[in-house]
Amino acid sequence: EPEVTQTPSHQVTQMGQEVILRCVPISNHLYFYWYRQILGQKVEFLVSFYNNEISEKSEIFDDQFSVERPDGSNFTLKIRSTKLEDSAMYFCASSDSHSNQPQHFGDGTRLSIL
Amino acid sequence: QKEVEQNSGPLSVPEGAIASLNCTYSDRGSQSFFWYRQYSGKSPELIMFIYSNGDKEDGRFTAQLNKASQYVSLLIRDSQPSDSATYLCAVKGNGNKLVFGAGTILRVKS
Repeated sequence: EPEVTQTPSHQVTQMGQEVILRCVPISNHLYFYWYRQILGQKVEFLVSFYNNEISEKSEIFDDQFSVERPDGSNFTLKIRSTKLEDSAMYFCASSDSHSNQPQHFGDGTRLSIL
Repeated sequence: QKEVEQNSGPLSVPEGAIASLNCTYSDRGSQSFFWYRQYSGKSPELIMFIYSNGDKEDGRFTAQLNKASQYVSLLIRDSQPSDSATYLCAVKGNGNKLVFGAGTILRVKS
């Protein structure tokens, strides 16, 4: 069964450094998403992306965050200057259409900010 | 603020019993409803989705939706120890995003 793949599985970064999290969505999917889950808390929406542009973003997704689809397969989340509170699991998801179709999640990247 | 509420549990059921998980949501315009299973330290795994009022069955799982009451539930029949996990209810409105509940911890005792 096709799946969303994320790399790395664990990223340790010094506070203030830039980090890029990578995702390969399911190949025929057109909608891409990033979520995060701080330890012990809810899964929270960050951003959705369609047709090479952001279609929706949350209040969490401030100027420190950006997303990009640099080629036909990868979808990346960049955090420019990491803070301690950015430590979380980051999940990439994709779906094959906007309305109603389920979003399928990758295994996640555990981001630890020191 | 659009909310999705779940009882945190833990809900403990004996092996072979029916587990009933419940979820309420605040946004009356919500259109689609999803149940995900999350094992500790892992990612959400899609179990069921439902769009229309009523029941939807898939194997041992039944999702139930009542839009008038803003209530969605998941029944797991013949519960197995491997079903022990956190079950996340997620709701989608007109936009793209899923709004998740905090999840219900299910423990199936053998």
